[in-house]
Amino acid sequence: GQQLNQSPQSMFIQEGEDVSMNCTSSSIFNTWLWYKQDPGEGPVLLIALYKAGELTSNGRLTAQFGITRKDSFLNISASIPSDVGIYFCAGQLSSNYQLIWGAGTKLIIKP
Amino acid sequence: EAQVTQNPRYLITVTGKKLTVTCSQNMNHEYMSWYRQDPGLGLRQIYYSMNVEATDKGDVPEGYKVSRKEKRNFPLILESPSPNQTSLYFCASSLSWVAGAGDTQYFGPGTRLTVL
Repeated sequence: GQQLNQSPQSMFIQEGEDVSMNCTSSSIFNTWLWYKQDPGEGPVLLIALYKAGELTSNGRLTAQFGITRKDSFLNISASIPSDVGIYFCAGQLSSNYQLIWGAGTKLIIKP
Repeated sequence: EAQVTQNPRYLITVTGKKLTVTCSQNMNHEYMSWYRQDPGLGLRQIYYSMNVEATDKGDVPEGYKVSRKEKRNFPLILESPSPNQTSLYFCASSLSWVAGAGDTQYFGPGTRLTVL
């Protein structure tokens, strides 16, 4: 099936550091979604992007919909302990509206 | 409170013993979906339903069945579970099947299934 390449797979960072992760694909998407999953829970939507080039913020989180419509990134500024979890990107294909998921980026904050 | 509920949350069973995981949403959503989550593979869609009596295969449908007789319920059925179906399962729902502005998928809390 279709695939999204999400990187990095995991990140070990110090509290206060900025974080950056991205998703790329060879397919064209009409929507990009970024979710966060806390341990023992289902994913929760953080940011939704609907237009190429769109840059959207949600508090310390910023995400962008790539100009080529094949990629997206998520930045977290000044990380705090509650940012730990797994972050997923998901893109909706423009061809058939199927939602494709990345494999996730696990964020771990070093004490 | 708007939510997606799944039951059971945890289940240990043996190979071949039929089981059903229930999913219910109280938001009058048309679109419902089942995913499995495995380490390093992210979320993979098993089946989805765009409305009552309308279901379709996702990326990994083998070994699973679903039904959508009512809008609020979307049970996942494993007729003859096998160990490779040991996984974390999520049900999700959204207003429609197109991820439009203001629409999002709401996920249930997950069901951790172990097949021995």
